[in-house]
Amino acid sequence: RKEVEQDPGPFNVPEGATVAFNCTYSNSASQSFFWYRQDCRKEPKLLMSVYSSGNEDGRFTAQLNRASQYISLLIRDSKLSDSATYLCVVNTDQSGGYNKLIFGAGTRLAVHP
Amino acid sequence: NAGVTQTPKFRVLKTGQSMTLLCAQDMNHEYMYWYRQDPGMGLRLIHYSVGEGTTAKGEVPDGYNVSRLKKQNFLLGLESAAPSQTSVYFCASSYSRRVTDTQYFGPGTRLTVL
Repeated sequence: RKEVEQDPGPFNVPEGATVAFNCTYSNSASQSFFWYRQDCRKEPKLLMSVYSSGNEDGRFTAQLNRASQYISLLIRDSKLSDSATYLCVVNTDQSGGYNKLIFGAGTRLAVHP
Repeated sequence: NAGVTQTPKFRVLKTGQSMTLLCAQDMNHEYMYWYRQDPGMGLRLIHYSVGEGTTAKGEVPDGYNVSRLKKQNFLLGLESAAPSQTSVYFCASSYSRRVTDTQYFGPGTRLTVL
């Protein structure tokens, strides 16, 4: 079983739609959670951190459910520029002495006119 | 401030050839990482460094070597390339190992091994 699992999609949505992505993680000791965005043939970039109480950044809302080991990302009023792959990322532990990030394979979003 | 840069951007190798990928960062970060990204899989850590002169193995280190002679540079070497090493390679850096620290990624190197 993968440590971080995501639906690969693609999610094809019209402009203005609301879309939600989910992610599950297997390590209950995970400490930090993030969503990264990766455009086609580009590097991943941090979109937002995910906090236990849930957090919002403009049109983006992230939620964390530690009991179910589940993370979500909600995008409201989708724009064409939101088309990308969204990576769910979990920080598991630092026993190795470094900031260990575990990446999901990503969910692809395609927003069309 | 260029952030994290990688050279080359693209490379095609024949099986058995060797090459070195260069990563450079100008953010004075202590920690640097090499990942590979393959279709349908998340990024996987190859090697990492917690400071100048140090290196350590990540999740998939076989077939790769690294060096960190200067704080700003992290080199990834393939001594004898194999087709299984065809991938996109990303370098990243972070200021510390705190769980909240962001890792900043370079633009990637697309490597094909024939």
